[in-house]
Amino acid sequence: EAEVAQSPRYKITEKSQAVAFWCDPISGHATLYWYRQILGQGPELLVQFQDESVVDDSQLPKDRFSAERLKGVDSTLKIQPAELGDSAMYLCASSTNPGTVYEQYFGPGTRLTVT
Amino acid sequence: RKEVEQDPGPFNVPEGATVAFNCTYSNSASQSFFWYRQDCRKEPKLLMSVYSSGNEDGRFTAQLNRASQYISLLIRDSKLSDSATYLCVAKSSSNTGKLIFGQGTTLQVKP
Repeated sequence: EAEVAQSPRYKITEKSQAVAFWCDPISGHATLYWYRQILGQGPELLVQFQDESVVDDSQLPKDRFSAERLKGVDSTLKIQPAELGDSAMYLCASSTNPGTVYEQYFGPGTRLTVT
Repeated sequence: RKEVEQDPGPFNVPEGATVAFNCTYSNSASQSFFWYRQDCRKEPKLLMSVYSSGNEDGRFTAQLNRASQYISLLIRDSKLSDSATYLCVAKSSSNTGKLIFGQGTTLQVKP
């Protein structure tokens, strides 16, 4: 069964350092999402791509976060500089067509700890 | 006020019990609803969609009340393996299909 791949699975970094996460969606899925999940809360959408274009980044802290999906396939989420409050699970998901009833498939996530 | 609200629990129930989770949503324009299951330190996975007429999948029954903006999930004959966090999800009316997650309800089934 096809899966969403993410790396690294775990990342520990010091505050003010830069950190990057990578996601490879299920082949053929045009829509890619990055979520942040703080412990005890549900996932919150940071950014959504349709192919290589950003369609929703309203909740992305743009002063420190950036995301790209240059060829419309895999994607990178970057934080620079990291802050203590960024400690969370970063989940990537993909889906076929967001305009219909559809399922988002999640990757295993990257657990970030900022010290 | 959060757009999707759930009681975080935890709900501690014995094996074989019936347990119900409730969820409310604030945006009446929300079109579709789902329940996702998330095991400890794992990614969320779709459990079931929620239809206006109510729907059942084995031991799981989901219901939607649009007038009250209320969603429920009923689990019958609870198993130890049902222990997880259950996330209530609303799909926004925007053309991006944004999903709004509740904070989750934790279920612990005891032997």
